[in-house]
Amino acid sequence: AQTVTQSQPEMSVQEAETVTLSCTYDTSENNYYLFWYKQPPSRQMILVIRQEAYKQQNATENRFSVNFQKAAKSFSLKISDSQLGDTAMYFCAFMKLSRPMYSGGGADGLTFGKGTHLIIQP
Amino acid sequence: DTGVSQNPRHKITKRGQNVTFRCDPISEHNRLYWYRQTLGQGPEFLTYFQNEAQLEKSRLLSDRFSAERPKGSFSTLEIQRTEQGDSAMYLCASSLVWGVKDTQYFGPGTRLTVL
Repeated sequence: AQTVTQSQPEMSVQEAETVTLSCTYDTSENNYYLFWYKQPPSRQMILVIRQEAYKQQNATENRFSVNFQKAAKSFSLKISDSQLGDTAMYFCAFMKLSRPMYSGGGADGLTFGKGTHLIIQP
Repeated sequence: DTGVSQNPRHKITKRGQNVTFRCDPISEHNRLYWYRQTLGQGPEFLTYFQNEAQLEKSRLLSDRFSAERPKGSFSTLEIQRTEQGDSAMYLCASSLVWGVKDTQYFGPGTRLTVL
């Protein structure tokens, strides 16, 4: 079974600052995806960024980037130039693949961490 | 895309009653997932379907829980003889499983309160 640990229950930064949210995971699998999801106060979960474990290059999406350290089983999220709208719960999630995604593989349910409540102060 | 929709958005019931929730996935998505989220926690996986086949069930899914996706489109999650511990947000997600994109898109959830 997989576990995902987010050690920061809450973080608070000033608008325009850079913030890094940490996530570690434990698995014996070799083929998997990692995700960061955002859940604003309205509570609908939104995908922020996705990382394929077989890719060495860290994923980036505009102001969001990850630092994926496969050997250390670490997957942190960096938010640059933080904005008030970034205030939300952030969940790190793990998804095991039944076979590699690049060969059209299937996927199983997500395993989530407990989340980090990020507050962006004006 | 109209997104994943869930109904009802809120449900209040008395202990011992049965409840049923509905999830309508994004139209071309062939996978549909159910999760449960309690206050202050991340979502926990319950079960998923590929088309109409239920492929995996978590041990969290007790005998009182049943899920269906009869025609491979919408899905229902039924909880029989509800208990106070069933109070939670029930989230549905869908994805398209072929190729390299298998991102799960979530609905707004159904909040269940068992009195």
